[in-house]
Amino acid sequence: DAGVTQSPTHLIKTRGQQVTLRCSPKSGHDTVSWYQQALGQGPQFIFQYYEEEERQRGNFPDRFSGHQFPNYSSELNVNALLLGDSALYLCASSKPPGRTGDTQYFGPGTRLTVL
Amino acid sequence: DAKTTQPPSMDCAEGRAANLPCNHSTISGNEYVYWYRQIHSQGPQYIIHGLKNNETNEMASLIITEDRKSSTLILPHATLRDTAVYYCIVRGVTTDSWGKLQFGAGTQVVVTP
Repeated sequence: DAGVTQSPTHLIKTRGQQVTLRCSPKSGHDTVSWYQQALGQGPQFIFQYYEEEERQRGNFPDRFSGHQFPNYSSELNVNALLLGDSALYLCASSKPPGRTGDTQYFGPGTRLTVL
Repeated sequence: DAKTTQPPSMDCAEGRAANLPCNHSTISGNEYVYWYRQIHSQGPQYIIHGLKNNETNEMASLIITEDRKSSTLILPHATLRDTAVYYCIVRGVTTDSWGKLQFGAGTQVVVTP
């Protein structure tokens, strides 16, 4: 049973560029959440997708956008990259909140460095 | 802002029990207590969760006080591989929270030989 997978593992971009990160949920999960973790801090919630719709959003600008595909996989897009976007980006999958199996399981993360 | 308070760090001797406290005095009736841990630069790992009863699994035990304002995560026999940052999280399941996890700073646990 595959766990949550993310790609790429590491990524280096320059300011102003755009980046796309990918996530495949754990088998049987249909809800995907994205988190940003800056160095030395706890993860911060970006948004959550269920049934291909954004269901909840954290305090992040519109430069951060996402998408969920019919196979439940998801992408996180960040436009106009800033130095402050350098972080570990984490994807978590689960069943929808309130349903049996709604515990979120995290992937290994994508380390983004913006130069 | 995170709804929990944890000590920033604690040490534990290998083979001994590690007791990690967490205060969540503003917890409401439909909110669960979740524990995750994160080993350096890896994704957070789910440990255990509970609503009001004590819970135990193969990794740990969770003790929640009767008033639900605090809890303790117990690692029964700490090993060097348990060195990590441990996060205590209060999580709701209403539509306005929709299950997002609010991480605080966590407790850095160092297990020493």
